[in-house]
Amino acid sequence: DTGVSQDPRHKITKRGQNVTFRCDPISEHNRLYWYRQTLGQGPEFLTYFQNEAQLEKSRLLSDRFSAERPKGSFSTLEIQRTEQGDSAMYLCASSLPAHFEAFFGQGTRLTVV
Amino acid sequence: GQQVMQIPQYQHVQEGEDFTTYCNSSTTLSNIQWYKQRPGGHPVFLIQLVKSGEVKKQKRLTFQFGEAKKNSSLHITATQTTDVGTYFCAGLETSGSRLTFGEGTQLTVNP
Repeated sequence: DTGVSQDPRHKITKRGQNVTFRCDPISEHNRLYWYRQTLGQGPEFLTYFQNEAQLEKSRLLSDRFSAERPKGSFSTLEIQRTEQGDSAMYLCASSLPAHFEAFFGQGTRLTVV
Repeated sequence: GQQVMQIPQYQHVQEGEDFTTYCNSSTTLSNIQWYKQRPGGHPVFLIQLVKSGEVKKQKRLTFQFGEAKKNSSLHITATQTTDVGTYFCAGLETSGSRLTFGEGTQLTVNP
């Protein structure tokens, strides 16, 4: 296991389409985070899982965003009816609970045209 | 909600000069973490501070956590071109496990 893996690395989609991203965390990590980052900004918290339970979701996250972690391993983030404002880098991170140090994946860059 | 602010937003230095970035939280933190993101890369963990007033060093990098656990700083002595990147602080709330990132300080080093 070499780290957090995200797929795809890049996604271009037309406005109004749905997209789904996948994150495979480090295998022994039971915490998984999704962040969104735009150019020149810090990572913005979207949601967080402890095992399969989604424990917190940002109020900034509209109903078009949903995330799952069905078996407490990989996670998916779906954006429905994409808008141009959704264009960003979507970062996944995982951690062990005792340390909270977050390991980030390479991210999925979404471009909505 | 919790806000984490960082200054300055940008810093340009000559190689060999020192660099400091400051981080302030609107709420008391459980701990604070620092990350470095190289251009085109993803954030990479540098260090975590947990105790009030804690100071940690990593070679030329010195990290401090304030007494009230609401502010922190990162100081780099004698910058090198390899220090180029954006430095983020991230605060862990005492009430939960949300890790909130600051806006970052983008450091450029002129050789």
